[in-house]
Amino acid sequence: GESVGLHLPTLSVQEGDNSIINCAYSNSASDYFIWYKQESGKGPQFIIDIRSNMDKRQGQRVTVLLNKTVKHLSLQIAATQPGDSAVYFCADLYNTDKLIFGTGTRLQVFP
Amino acid sequence: DAGVIQSPRHEVTEMGQEVTLRCKPISGHDYLFWYRQTMMRGLELLIYFNNNVPIDDSGMPEDRFSAKMPNASFSTLKIQPSEPRDSAVYFCASSRQVVSGNTIYFGEGSWLTVV
Repeated sequence: GESVGLHLPTLSVQEGDNSIINCAYSNSASDYFIWYKQESGKGPQFIIDIRSNMDKRQGQRVTVLLNKTVKHLSLQIAATQPGDSAVYFCADLYNTDKLIFGTGTRLQVFP
Repeated sequence: DAGVIQSPRHEVTEMGQEVTLRCKPISGHDYLFWYRQTMMRGLELLIYFNNNVPIDDSGMPEDRFSAKMPNASFSTLKIQPSEPRDSAVYFCASSRQVVSGNTIYFGEGSWLTVV
């Protein structure tokens, strides 16, 4: 069945550094992945997505990389800011209407 | 747009009591999802509806949990009887058409504590 999980539960970075959050998936049939950000006390918010026919997609300060060979994707945040502190989830939109989340990585940004 | 509205935001109840969580999706959205979030299990999809009809309830933990969507603007998630292990944050989300992740909007959650 579908399975999306994260490598590290907590990531601490210094303000201004780049952050890399990793995610592994097990279902080779997965073809669409999404990264969400969840701030304390709030629901998840969409950051960026990528389809399996792409290796890389860039947004504003964020880049998602997809390696289908090893079933791995990553979220890169450039010049990390205090406002980036949150829990980040990768998710798989399964069968086009079921959004399945991984366990999440907490990003802590220090001044 | 007011977004997805959930109530109550916080609830503390005693074991054995009935708990009802409520959700008002964004107007015009066809899909409604209920998720549960805990530290141990993360965000779990419990059930989702399309046009008020339950499509997949395979994530509902057991018979103590039930969900209804009597109309396009309202859904409930009920736990009866509640147990301490049901303590979690319950999120409702809605979407007009689920073809991409950025069409799904989450409420701010209902924080449930069962003592």
